[in-house]
Amino acid sequence: NAGVTQTPKFRVLKTGQSMTLLCAQDMNHEYMYWYRQDPGMGLRLIHYSVGEGTTAKGEVPDGYNVSRLKKQNFLLGLESAAPSQTSVYFCASRTATAGVGDTQYFGPGTRLTVL
Amino acid sequence: QQPVQSPQAVILREGEDAVINCSSSKALYSVHWYRQKHGEAPVFLMILLKGGEQKGHEKISASFNEKKQQSSLYLTASQLSYSGTYFCGTVGSSNTGKLIFGQGTTLQVKP
Repeated sequence: NAGVTQTPKFRVLKTGQSMTLLCAQDMNHEYMYWYRQDPGMGLRLIHYSVGEGTTAKGEVPDGYNVSRLKKQNFLLGLESAAPSQTSVYFCASRTATAGVGDTQYFGPGTRLTVL
Repeated sequence: QQPVQSPQAVILREGEDAVINCSSSKALYSVHWYRQKHGEAPVFLMILLKGGEQKGHEKISASFNEKKQQSSLYLTASQLSYSGTYFCGTVGSSNTGKLIFGQGTTLQVKP
């Protein structure tokens, strides 16, 4: 049981390049999230999904796109990377069960630098 | 919409107590608490549901006042291992699945 995994762990891009970050979970969770974390800014929600085939915008969605074609995977895409997107990106998954069993699990993070 | 945490930073000696507060301007369905060590992913501590419950996890407990839209995390007899950044995450009253985090509170425990 690997939990939540993220690929890649590190990446350096040049301005204007594109890339896709992959998040995978093996816990059969309905909800999945993408956050970015910048110093002093906490975790900011980019996009999220409440189930396979669905996505929704979070707090800071501009410049990013997402897809959830399979329940276990949540992809985050940067079409034209900008230096302002330099950050640590965390993926998380969460059960759909409201109540005491509601837990969100985070992946190890992807450190992205845009030059 | 982002919940507000206070204080922003706390420095303690081992054995001392601390309280971290989380306040929202919107009605809440639940509050989650996480701890993050430097360079690592956040780790879930506990969840509180509306109803004013209080929960405990070792010497860490929390309360949730639904009417005031506030939650507090209590760390008693702090240990060196408690050092890190603590985040509260809130789910709105409609429980759409959206989880929004506060800006974090950095806790440093010294020997």
